[in-house]
Amino acid sequence: GDSVTQMEGPVTLSEEAFLTINCTYTATGYPSLFWYVQYPGEGLQLLLKATKADDKGSNKGFEATYRKETTSFHLEKGSVQVSDSAVYFCALLPVYGNNRLAFGKGNQVVVIP
Amino acid sequence: ETGVTQTPRHLVMGMTNKKSLKCEQHLGHNAMYWYKQSAKKPLELMFVYSLEERVENNSVPSRFSPECPNSSHLFLHLHTLQPEDSALYLCASSQATGTVHGYTFGSGTRLTVV
Repeated sequence: GDSVTQMEGPVTLSEEAFLTINCTYTATGYPSLFWYVQYPGEGLQLLLKATKADDKGSNKGFEATYRKETTSFHLEKGSVQVSDSAVYFCALLPVYGNNRLAFGKGNQVVVIP
Repeated sequence: ETGVTQTPRHLVMGMTNKKSLKCEQHLGHNAMYWYKQSAKKPLELMFVYSLEERVENNSVPSRFSPECPNSSHLFLHLHTLQPEDSALYLCASSQATGTVHGYTFGSGTRLTVV
């Protein structure tokens, strides 16, 4: 079935560093792709999305581009802040089937002052 | 009030207690979901309601009992839970079909079973 794979392990980086979190997917057709963020003690919030190939989603300085050729949707931010410390989930909504979001395992990001 | 609201935010219960979690959405969505989020584990989809009918039950123990009285409200009734049921329980909603917008999540209920 359709699925999402995120890079293993937490990410620790210094304030103002460049952040990349990798996400690749397996799917039929052109699924919709999402990044969700979960701040400590909270639920998941939609960070950005892209619904077709070459679309770029962006929000709060974060960006991700829907790359059909590499089946990827990597999340990037040019200069992180301590407030960006959170868990980030990549997700996919299949074109066909039962309208179920498929989530990656999530990546803990810790930004150190 | 907009978005998805979950109550209570925190719940501590004994193994012999009965309690209920509540979820409410005012987004006009017609599908609602319960997820379990445990430490070091992927998100687990527990139940799905679409157009007020349960359409998915992912091998969840019977000590968890969902209820969806209308398209805006979802409950999770809990009884005789185990300590391993301690987790963050997340509710989400969406359109049932044809959505490209993903799901909207509540802030969750942090459940501790003692």
